This record gives sequence, C-alpha cells and structure tokens, in this order.
Amino acid sequence: AQTIHQWPVAEIKAVGSPLSLGCTIKGKSSPNLYWYWQATGGTLQQLFYSITVGQVESVVQLNLSASRPKDDQFILSTEKLLLSHSGFYLCAWSQGLHYEQYFGPGTRLTVL
Amino acid sequence: QQKVQQSPESLIVPEGAMTSLNCTFSDSASQYFAWYRQHSGKAPKALMSIFSNGEKEEGRFTIHLNKASLHFSLHIRDSQPSDSALYLCAVTTSSGSWQLIFGSGTQLTVMP
Repeated sequence: AQTIHQWPVAEIKAVGSPLSLGCTIKGKSSPNLYWYWQATGGTLQQLFYSITVGQVESVVQLNLSASRPKDDQFILSTEKLLLSHSGFYLCAWSQGLHYEQYFGPGTRLTVL
Repeated sequence: QQKVQQSPESLIVPEGAMTSLNCTFSDSASQYFAWYRQHSGKAPKALMSIFSNGEKEEGRFTIHLNKASLHFSLHIRDSQPSDSALYLCAVTTSSGSWQLIFGSGTQLTVMP
C-alpha cells in the first residue's frame, strides 16, 4: 500500500525567515506529485506539480519554489517568508494527471 | 481562466435524507471532474470522479455530469452523521499549465 508522509507536522516561523517543507511517498514508483496551499477558511489552491524527477511546473506564483530531488520526494521552500504564507500545506500524489489525488496529512504553517 | 463555484455554501439535513451538492465550471473542454471530502483540520480525501457526461454511482454516492450546462453534482442517499464534512468539487483546466481547480466547498451537517 502507498503511504505519504509530510514533515514537519507544524511550524511557527518569523517573517523573513527561510522555510523548507518535505513530502515522501512510499510504495509507488514514478508518481505525479503536487503541492497545495489552503489558507484558514480558504480554497485549496494548487501550487506546483511534478511528473518526473527534476521537473517541476509552477501553477501559482506565491514566492515559493519546489523541487523533486528523488522519485519519491517533493520539497517546498522559500528563502523569505511572508505573513501571507500562513496556512495548511498539502502534498498529494496520483498515478497520472487525470487520476484521483491522494493527500498527505499536511503541514500547518504559522508566520508571525 | 477556469472558474469553479459550489452551491450551497452550507447545508443542514436530517439523518436519512437525500443530499444534493452542486458545482458549476466555466470551461466546457475540461476533462476530469471529481468530488473530495475534507473533515475539519484534515486533508481532503477523494470520493468519486467522472470523465464523460452521465451518471456514476458508488454505494450511497452518485455523480451527475452535464458538460453542456457546465454543471456537475454529488448526491448522497441516506445521509449519515458521519457524512458531515466540507465537500469540494474539482475540475481540470484545458488551457495553459495543467491545473486541478477546487471550489470553495459546501459545508454539510447531517443531524442525527
């Protein structure tokens, strides 16, 4: 069975500080990977997707970047956090672009 | 750009009732349509998806899709208190960068 892990579970960071969030998928080779962001009470918004190692497509510009260094790993980062980055970050995988997406447990980020 | 809207914003139904949730989209060339369910503070979980016009049933859940009217819906038969959650519809874009666009959700409460 496939499992998806995200780390950390929660973060409290200062404005202007760097950020790195991670996601690992086990039990599935060559998955499509996605990053989503959901502001508190807000709509789920896709940020990035990756079909293969080393290739990441940006969907929304939020002063964030993403990388896929390994087949099973997806990283979301920024060098300088903004207050508007607060929210719930979710990683997801699917076996193709038009297949159901399976979400990880998420990372809750608070920027102060 | 694809616009996805859900109605109603919230809904309270008695246990055992039929629940109907609606989603409209703006791009008739969209190829993939899905419903997700999200419990408070948790990650969304896929319920059902459909690609072509018509109806699809799985257990107590039924999806209807009508691309010509830019509308698809989720119907829950014999609603249960455990069905209480935020229901999100999602539609893919057909132009530019691939993206799965989510609606803002319908908050469903099923009263025992």
